[in-house]
Parts: sequence; C-alpha cells; structure tokens
Amino acid sequence: GAVVSQHPSRVICKSGTSVKIECRSLDFQATTMFWYRQFPKKSLMLMATSNEGSKATYEQGVEKDKFLINHASLTLSTLTVTSAHPEDSSFYICSASAGPKDSPLHFGNGTRLTVT
Amino acid sequence: GEDVEQSLFLSVREGDSSVINCTYTDSSSTYLYWYKQEPGAGLQLLTYIFSNMDMKQDQRLTVLLNKKDKHLSLRIADTQTGDSAIYFCAESPDMRFGAGTRLTVKP
Repeated sequence: GAVVSQHPSRVICKSGTSVKIECRSLDFQATTMFWYRQFPKKSLMLMATSNEGSKATYEQGVEKDKFLINHASLTLSTLTVTSAHPEDSSFYICSASAGPKDSPLHFGNGTRLTVT
Repeated sequence: GEDVEQSLFLSVREGDSSVINCTYTDSSSTYLYWYKQEPGAGLQLLTYIFSNMDMKQDQRLTVLLNKKDKHLSLRIADTQTGDSAIYFCAESPDMRFGAGTRLTVKP
C-alpha cells in the first residue's frame, strides 16, 4: 500500500515554456503533499508543502510565482514550473503521508526536468 | 549546518555487513526513518524506528538507536550488489533529511 505516482518521469522543454508535474496518491488520501528538489549528489531540498484546498506553504528562497502548486483533491497535487530556465533543470520529487504528521512519507519516483 | 548528518560514502565487499551512521539534533524526534534511493528514482522507505525503541530488526536490516547520543545506524547484513544506492536518514515530525550516504558494493 501507500503508493505515490509521479508523472512524467522525464521531461525536456525549451526555455520560456511551462512544465506541469503531477503527484498522485494511488491508494490513500493525502491532505498534505510535499515537493522536493534534488541537486546532483545532494540531499533533498524541501520546496513547498502542498495543502489540499488551500495555498501551498513555500520554503524560504523558493519563488512561489515560478513554482506553482495546486492541490485540488485529496489524491492529486501538481507542480508547474513556469517560464523554465536551464537553471531549473533538476530532479523533482513529491511525497505524501498516509497518516498523521509523524507518519512516514512515501515518495514518487521523481521527475527529471531538463530545460534547453 | 544540517540538523541531520551522515557520512557521504561507504564502500564494502559483497557479503560483508554495511553500517551506515546518522546523527540528529532534535531531541523531540518521534520517529526516525531510513530511505533508499536508486539511480534516477525516488526514495523508497526501508524501515523506521520509534524513538522509544533501541533496536529494530527486519530481515537483513538492523536499526540501532542511541537516543542519548542522538545516533542512528542502519546495518545491512550480507550486503549485495543490489544494495548499492544512496541511503537517507530522516527524523520526524519535520522530516529533515540527511545528505545521504552513497553505498557502493564491490563484487
């Protein structure tokens, strides 16, 4: 149980375009989902906490207008990278918890974004 | 600096035991987790331990927790080449992650 599906797994886009990444909890409801960015050989950097039915909470230094998060249902959160630049190229991972705050997070398989 | 610290690299021979260490600073941590990340993939939850436990064993995996020293370790018995990956420890409730330990298993 507790499967998180992330789509697409890999995307290449041109500078200036927008890219949407989906994160779905397949067999549980997640009121909260998390978006991370991972740089090569680095740990996960929490970008934002996505809350169903309300605005996302962004970490310091993360541009909310550039990384748009929508959590329209209990099983789906989306991250849209707007006006992408090459420096946005990275590995983006989402996670969700099936239980209360201390419950372990279950992760999607990540999205490799390459901006040319 | 980071609140959760791990050594970055570990290399072992196939069949040996691997021990990956982690230290944390939050004394109010309730659960501590170990995740595995294979190349190009997301994180897979391996195991976790409640903060009032000292040890948890799950097949080849043994988690040891020294709450006084805020030290967590993951021991992998009979390490296989398929265990090569990056291992992250994390603490709740804030789910802070260490930088990850890259385990390389040599045949």
